Amino acid sequence: ETGVTQSPTHLIKTRGQQVTLRCSSQSGHNTVSWYQQALGQGPQFIFQYYREEENGRGNFPPRFSGLQFPNYSSELNVNALELDDSALYLCASSSGQGKDTGELFFGEGSRLTVL
Amino acid sequence: GQSLEQPSEVTAVEGAIVQINCTYQTSGFYGLSWYQQHDGGAPTFLSYNALDGLEETGRFSSFLSRSDSYGYLLLQELQMKDSASYFCAVRSSNYQLIWGAGTKLIIKP
Repeated sequence: ETGVTQSPTHLIKTRGQQVTLRCSSQSGHNTVSWYQQALGQGPQFIFQYYREEENGRGNFPPRFSGLQFPNYSSELNVNALELDDSALYLCASSSGQGKDTGELFFGEGSRLTVL
Repeated sequence: GQSLEQPSEVTAVEGAIVQINCTYQTSGFYGLSWYQQHDGGAPTFLSYNALDGLEETGRFSSFLSRSDSYGYLLLQELQMKDSASYFCAVRSSNYQLIWGAGTKLIIKP
């Protein structure tokens, strides 16, 4: 158990809809990053939040957006869903952006299916 | 572009030793991490190398050569529970981890 919890665990949406995924970080961790993992692939970095500010973003379009709250929990929002957005969405928390040890603590993920 | 290469699948026998290689090409490099992921589960951290050399943690060891842009994960005394996918990942900046596609480790009794 990493102490990182994500909700919902599974969800099904239709193309064009919007979705919000939630993540509670491990106690004491001020950094949250989000990853998209397609079946049989490695995770792809979406963005990172550090102390409520987005401080890094991967190669994802603006319809992927997020928030981090004062308690360091976070949301990932995806608008105008496309079929290719079907994936496992992973949230990871760390302290100090995980720079010193390279260690991220992952939640179990939210599996999104877009029909 | 930025990429990490690792074998897609490795097969080994219970009790044996296996090595999973990773080569990388990234615009920046802070360190190389290894993660384990069981089917349907979350990635779990195994090791991190920021400097050249070997890091040992129990049955697992990880090696890095920055001049060769190469690293490996060594698993000893394989157990059936080690059957999983193993990912190498490079921290290329203050915030970004770039991941390989993963190596599926199959262990036979």
